[in-house]
Amino acid sequence: EVQLVESGGRVIRPGGSLRLTCAVSGFSFNDDGMSWVRQVPGKGLEWVSGINWNGDRTAYADSVKGRFTISRDNAKNSLYLQMDSLRPEDTAFYYCARGFGKWFDPWGQGTLVTVSS
Amino acid sequence: EIVLTQSPASLSVSPGETATLSCRASQSVIKSLAWYQQKPGQAPRLLIYSASTRATGISTRFSGGGSGTEFTLTISSLQSEDSAVYYCQQYSVWFTFGQGTKLEI
Repeated sequence: EVQLVESGGRVIRPGGSLRLTCAVSGFSFNDDGMSWVRQVPGKGLEWVSGINWNGDRTAYADSVKGRFTISRDNAKNSLYLQMDSLRPEDTAFYYCARGFGKWFDPWGQGTLVTVSS
Repeated sequence: EIVLTQSPASLSVSPGETATLSCRASQSVIKSLAWYQQKPGQAPRLLIYSASTRATGISTRFSGGGSGTEFTLTISSLQSEDSAVYYCQQYSVWFTFGQGTKLEI
């Protein structure tokens, strides 16, 4: 069974840092690009960042460029999102999903990041 | 940035009927378009990719069409379980999503 499980979301003060983790099982993780997509509760979807299969190509939405860093550890079947200089507008559910350069499938269940003082 | 505009914003349809959802792109994405279904409290689920190819395990009641800037998602024989928000996404130039269509059965 394919599973993507995100963790690390919590309430954090503006300016703070947070690291999200996505643990993957059920498919060959090191064959595929991966992405993070976020969703403000009750709102639409926004692609945040993506990484290719071996980590040597990454990309970011303009809204997070310079503040967020995506990485992966293929030995641990894990995807990461380091989030620095967090802002209230970064408050959202963060989903990891398989895919970078195409559609996203499947998705994890999401982890909620709340940036608030 | 390629902007995707979905219409209508919301739609209420009776069980057994057919719903047609639209997605318009601000510039051609050829056929680099996907559709997702999202139910309350759940992650999005891929329905269609490459504009018209059903994802694994997706019912034949779901069909996608179009190319260039105009796309449709058609859902036939509607069931209560189809109530959800539906999003289109382009992957021709980076990745952007439409604002969603809320479908109520």
